[in-house]
Parts: sequence; structure tokens; C-alpha cells
Amino acid sequence: KNQVEQSPQSLIILEGKNCTLQCNYTVSPFSNLRWYKQDTGRGPVSLTIMTFSENTKSNGRYTATLDADTKQSSLHITASQLSDSASYICVVSAKTGGGNKLTFGTGTQLKVEL
Amino acid sequence: ETGVTQTPRHLVMGMTNKKSLKCEQHLGHNAMYWYKQSAKKPLELMFVYSLEERVENNSVPSRFSPECPNSSHLFLHLHTLQPEDSALYLCASSQDPAGATYNEQFFGPGTRLTVL
Repeated sequence: KNQVEQSPQSLIILEGKNCTLQCNYTVSPFSNLRWYKQDTGRGPVSLTIMTFSENTKSNGRYTATLDADTKQSSLHITASQLSDSASYICVVSAKTGGGNKLTFGTGTQLKVEL
Repeated sequence: ETGVTQTPRHLVMGMTNKKSLKCEQHLGHNAMYWYKQSAKKPLELMFVYSLEERVENNSVPSRFSPECPNSSHLFLHLHTLQPEDSALYLCASSQDPAGATYNEQFFGPGTRLTVL
């Protein structure tokens, strides 16, 4: 069964600090992995996408890594800001006969405090 | 904004009511989706429409009825819901027909539904 597990469930950090969120998956056959950011009261917004051959992708202060061998991904946030407070969702796409199927993680709830 | 709008943003209804959720995308996309998001659970895909035809229905109870009159509009008709149906209902759209490899989905802000 395809699964995506994220850790930690929640995290509180001080403004300006760095943090790393983890995503482990058992999705197969792998197509791509996305990280989404979901602000409170809003829908998720895509931050990065990585395919099998990519092991790192950056988007401003967000850097995602992918280890396809161990089936792990991480999202590193540098110099955190109050606006980074949100839920971060890992989504893994599997190739199927009819196209791609998405498996969503439960998300990591990040709170950045002064 | 993502180019996907949803109305209403909040809805409270009794178990005997009938209501509808509306989604509109202004991105010229070909596929639209309904998701259910409950606390501490992954997003659950409910329905997928590709080029206005339903291509996926993930064993959703019949008290949820989707309608896609054209590629820009998607509705979710609700009737005789249960309290456990209370959740955030998200609509999304994507450029490619559902199932394409780089199928980035653009989400609306959601409708927060409470069933009393």
C-alpha cells in the first residue's frame, strides 16, 4: 500500500532559525515528489517538485532533497520568518497504467515565533 | 491567489439540509478535483473530472454528488450529510488531463463545512 509519512507532526521554532522537515514514502513506482505549503484558511501551494533523477531543488529559502534509494525527502527552511508558519505537505506521485496517482502525507504543522 | 475560487468559504448545515459547494477556475485548465481534508488526516481525493468527464470516484458516499457543467466550473451537491462529514473541502485544477506526469494542482481556499 502506498504511504507517505511525515515528521515531526508539529514544530515550533524561533524566527531566524533553520529547520528541516522529513518525508518517508513507500510509493511505487515513483514518478515525482512535491512539497506543498498550506497557510491557515487557504489551499495548498506547490513549493518544489523533484523527479527520480533530481536530488535537490531550491525555491528561495526552501530547499528540498530527495534520496530515491532510501525513499526519503526533506524540506529545509533557512532563516525562518513568521510567514513560514503553515502546514507543509509532502505529496508523492506513482505511475499507474491510467496515469499518475497522488499519495498525500498528513503534513507538518510549523509555527515560527518571535 | 491561485486562480481557483470556492464559495461559500464557510457553511453550517443540518443533517436534513441540501446545499451545494461551488468551485471556479480561471486558469484554463482541463482537469478539476474535489478533496476532503480532515484534521490530522491526509487529503482524500473524492472526485476527478478530466475534460468535463468524471474519470475517478473514490468510493465516495452517494450523499455527495459532483457536477461539472464545463471545464471552468465544478459543484459538489450535498444532502443528508452526517456529522463526520464535517471537514475542509478543497477544489483543485490542473493544466493537463488528470494523470499526466507533471500534474501540478492549483488549490482553492476551501469550504469549511460543519454538519450539525
